[in-house]
Order: sequence, then structure tokens, then C-alpha cells
Amino acid sequence: AQSVTQLGSHVSVSEGALVLLRCNYSSSVPPYLFWYVQYPNQGLQLLLKYTTGATLVKGINGFEAEFKKSETSFHLTKPSAHMSDAAEYFCAVSEGKADKLIFGTGTRLQVFP
Amino acid sequence: NAGVTQTPKFQVLKTGQSMTLQCAQDMNHEYMSWYRQDPGMGLRLIHYSVGAGITDQGEVPNGYNVSRSTTEDFPLRLLSAAPSQTSVYFCASSPINRDTEAFFGQGTRLTVV
Repeated sequence: AQSVTQLGSHVSVSEGALVLLRCNYSSSVPPYLFWYVQYPNQGLQLLLKYTTGATLVKGINGFEAEFKKSETSFHLTKPSAHMSDAAEYFCAVSEGKADKLIFGTGTRLQVFP
Repeated sequence: NAGVTQTPKFQVLKTGQSMTLQCAQDMNHEYMSWYRQDPGMGLRLIHYSVGAGITDQGEVPNGYNVSRSTTEDFPLRLLSAAPSQTSVYFCASSPINRDTEAFFGQGTRLTVV
């Protein structure tokens, strides 16, 4: 069975600092991996996805993630945090399609001035 | 573009009442699904459908019914609401092929008292 672990339910950074949100997965088949962002009282918006090919994936708003098969990880990074990045971030895995997503428990990012 | 539309946005029910959460998409996606979001638990799959007339259970189906009579609509029915069903419900849709993403509605916040 697939599963996702997000380390750290809350992460706080200063504006301009590096953002690192951790995601580890387990999957018996080559995974499709996703990062979604949720702003307060909003739905989920796709930040980026890994399906096949290049392991470094660039997404919207300056975020990127690297698929590391040996570490079963898909950590999300952004070089310089902005106040508008404050939101909840979800890592998700699927068996190869965008359906039947298995989500992590989420990480709430706070950005301080 | 409307995308995925959920109604209502907010609902308060008394224990034992029934109601239907509506979900409609205008992207001609084959796959539709319902998730519930609870604090500290991420999103969990309730039911999903791969096309009109076909539905299946997800991780947490108890207490919920679904049907898919058209490609566009995928309503979620609570037959006898319980306080444990207090949650935020999200509908999602995606085309059934690889290298794509799930599109989420804005959510329905349901409180059962």
C-alpha cells in the first residue's frame, strides 16, 4: 500500500529564508508525486508534480522538488520565502494517475517578517 | 472556466438528518472523487468514479453514498448524519490518463450537531 509521511506539521521561517518541507513516500510501483498548496478557506492548488523523466521538478511561485528514489523522498524547497507563501502544503502520491491520491497530513508554513 | 463547482459552501446539520453535497465539473473528466479533510489527517478518499455508472469505495466510505449518472455530476449523500462526519469535503476531477493532475473544488464545510 502507498503512504506519505510529511515531517513537521508546522514550519516557521523568516521572510527571505529558505523553505524546506519534507515528504517521504512508500510505494510498490513507480510513484507519481504531487505537492498541493491550500490557502485559508480555499481548495487545493497544484504546485508541482513528478511523473517520469527529470527528477528535479519546478513548479509555480518559485517552488521546486526533487524526486530521490534511493531516499524515497520528494522534498519541497523555495530559496527565498515570501509572506504570501504562508499556507498549508500537502504531499500526495498515486500509482500513476491523478486519481486515488494518498495525501500526507500536511505542513502549515508560517512566514515571519 | 468554472472547473469543479461544489455546493453548498457551508452547511449545518442535526444528527440523523440527510443531505446531498453537490459536485459538478465542466471539463469532461472521466474520473471524479470525494475527499474529506480533518485536522492533522490530511485528505482521505471517500468514494470515486471512473465514469458514468461506475463508482467504488475509497479509504473511508462508511456513512456515505454516491452515484454517477452523468459525466458532469458526482453527488455525495449522507443518509443519516453523525457528528463524526463534521469535516471539510472536497470534490476532485481528472482525466483518466497519465501525466495529469486532479482539479479540486473549493470545498464544503459541514458541521453536524
